[in-house]
Amino acid sequence: SQQGEEDPQALSIQEGENATMNCSYKTSINNLQWYRQNSGRGLVHLILIRSNEREKHSGRLRVTLDTSKKSSSLLITASRAADTASYFCAMGGEGNTPLVFGKGTRLSVIA
Amino acid sequence: ETGVTQTPRHLVMGMTNKKSLKCEQHLGHNAMYWYKQSAKKPLELMFVYNFKEQTENNSVPSRFSPECPNSSHLFLHLHTLQPEDSALYLCASSLGTSGTGELFFGEGSRLTVL
Repeated sequence: SQQGEEDPQALSIQEGENATMNCSYKTSINNLQWYRQNSGRGLVHLILIRSNEREKHSGRLRVTLDTSKKSSSLLITASRAADTASYFCAMGGEGNTPLVFGKGTRLSVIA
Repeated sequence: ETGVTQTPRHLVMGMTNKKSLKCEQHLGHNAMYWYKQSAKKPLELMFVYNFKEQTENNSVPSRFSPECPNSSHLFLHLHTLQPEDSALYLCASSLGTSGTGELFFGEGSRLTVL
């Protein structure tokens, strides 16, 4: 069955530095999505990358996808204290299957 | 404001109580979901509804009873819960039920079972 694994589980960086989070998955996907969750709040969609895409940008976010390695990475450039949150990858499978979420990476950006 | 509203935001209940969580979406979506988020566990999909019909029940115990009267409203009825059911319950909606589009989440209902 599909499972997502984020790495690292927790990351602490200084404001202005870049943050990189990785996601690995097991079975083939239609797309991979990244979500952000502030403590105790709902998840917010950040970006979706399709299986035939290799890289996507949105503002300070850069997502890459390597389907041969079954992995994706999320890069946040020039991080800010407000980026402190948990970040989840979610895999969209083939057919009518719901998204499967990973356990998340907890990012702390220190001002 | 995400377009998906959950009430109540916090709920404390005893093991013998009956309570309900409510979710409403104003996005014109056809699919609605209940997820359970416990500490140090991945987000667990509980139920999926598409056009008011349940399309997925992820082996959820019968003490959780979903209800979807229309495409905009989703309830989770709670009865004789256990302390391990304490968690953040998240409602989400999407245009369709396939995993090809984004999910829009509510802010969650934090449930504590005493």
